[in-house]
Amino acid sequence: RKEVEQDPGPFNVPEGATVAFNCTYSNSASQSFFWYRQDCRKEPKLLMSVYSSGNEDGRFTAQLNRASQYISLLIRDSKLSDSATYLCVVKYENNDMRFGAGTRLTVKP
Amino acid sequence: DVKVTQSSRYLVKRTGEKVFLECVQDMDHENMFWYRQDPGLGLRLIYFSYDVKMKEKGDIPEGYSVSREKKERFSLILESASTNQTSMYLCASARDRVTEAFFGQGTRLTVV
Repeated sequence: RKEVEQDPGPFNVPEGATVAFNCTYSNSASQSFFWYRQDCRKEPKLLMSVYSSGNEDGRFTAQLNRASQYISLLIRDSKLSDSATYLCVVKYENNDMRFGAGTRLTVKP
Repeated sequence: DVKVTQSSRYLVKRTGEKVFLECVQDMDHENMFWYRQDPGLGLRLIYFSYDVKMKEKGDIPEGYSVSREKKERFSLILESASTNQTSMYLCASARDRVTEAFFGQGTRLTVV
């Protein structure tokens, strides 16, 4: 079983839709959590950190549930430019850092 | 801005060659990582380092070794390249165990 699991998708949604991604992790010795975005043939880039109380950045909302060991990302009012692969990331107390396999999102006109 | 630089964007090597992939970061980060990324498999951790001369194995260390002689540089070594090591290799660095990581642009390695 992978340490960090994501639904690979693909998610195909129309512009303006709301879409949610979930990610589960198996190792409870987790320290911090992030969502990254990766465009085709590019390196991953930080989208947002995920805090225990939940956090929002414009159209993006991230939530963490430590008891159930999952994190989520909600994108509201999807734009064409949101099309990308979204990666959830877990960092551990021993400095290790693991990625989910990514969820591919395509936003269509 | 943090800059993580990988020495090559594209590399073609022959089976059996010893291959060095270099990664340099300019922000005095403690942690550095090497991943490979393959379609459908996501990013898989090969090795990481949390200090100079310190290294830890990730999920797939077989066939690879690493070197961190200086804080800013983390090298990935393929002792004897094989065709199943054809992949995109991504280096990352992070200030500590809590903060986000920054990636290099990746090296697409082809072993023929």
